[in-house]
Amino acid sequence: AAGVIQSPRHLIKEKRETATLKCYPIPRHDTVYWYQQGPGQDPQFLISFYEKMQSDKGSIPDRFSAQQFSDYHSELNMSSLELGDSALYFCASSLAGGSYEQYFGPGTRLTVT
Amino acid sequence: EDQVTQSPEALRLQEGESSSLNCSYTVSGLRGLFWYRQDPGKGPEFLFTLYSAGEEKEKERLKATLTKKESFLHITAPKPEDSATYLCAVVNYGGSQGNLIFGKGTKLSVKP
Repeated sequence: AAGVIQSPRHLIKEKRETATLKCYPIPRHDTVYWYQQGPGQDPQFLISFYEKMQSDKGSIPDRFSAQQFSDYHSELNMSSLELGDSALYFCASSLAGGSYEQYFGPGTRLTVT
Repeated sequence: EDQVTQSPEALRLQEGESSSLNCSYTVSGLRGLFWYRQDPGKGPEFLFTLYSAGEEKEKERLKATLTKKESFLHITAPKPEDSATYLCAVVNYGGSQGNLIFGKGTKLSVKP
């Protein structure tokens, strides 16, 4: 079965640079979530989109923005990167109006040097 | 404030030694409780969803149960390949589209 696809899988950036992470949800899933997981931490919710509209916002820094496109893929844009932004970034997708079950992608490991 | 607490933080078992992981939760209104398995450096893998007290779900050596205050993940006769971090998460009625609130996880090690 098709799963959530994330790219790139690994990304190395320097402080103050920008980064763009991409997420392709499971086909027919209309809701996308972004989570950040620091070393040894549990995933923290950043932001979600339903039918291309922002639906929920969590602990996302103002330096980050995201959007969902007409084909339902989503991009997380991160600017003025800081050392503390180094983490695993996961995208998850679900089908709205259903079970709230979220299926996660393999993640993007971002390292800021 | 909505909160999810998992115990123990780490659990070491011998192969075949059954045990249980605990997830206690405090939420304004529970839409669903979820169990995930996560291997190092990988995305959480969905295991179970539980919606109401008394509900049980099973998959191979795993069985999840739910009460009004907590959930248990029972592992029967575990194998080394069951070693992973098990995450519990809830969705409450506060979030409009169901963002997950995670516990810190239980790191399970099963020795042969």
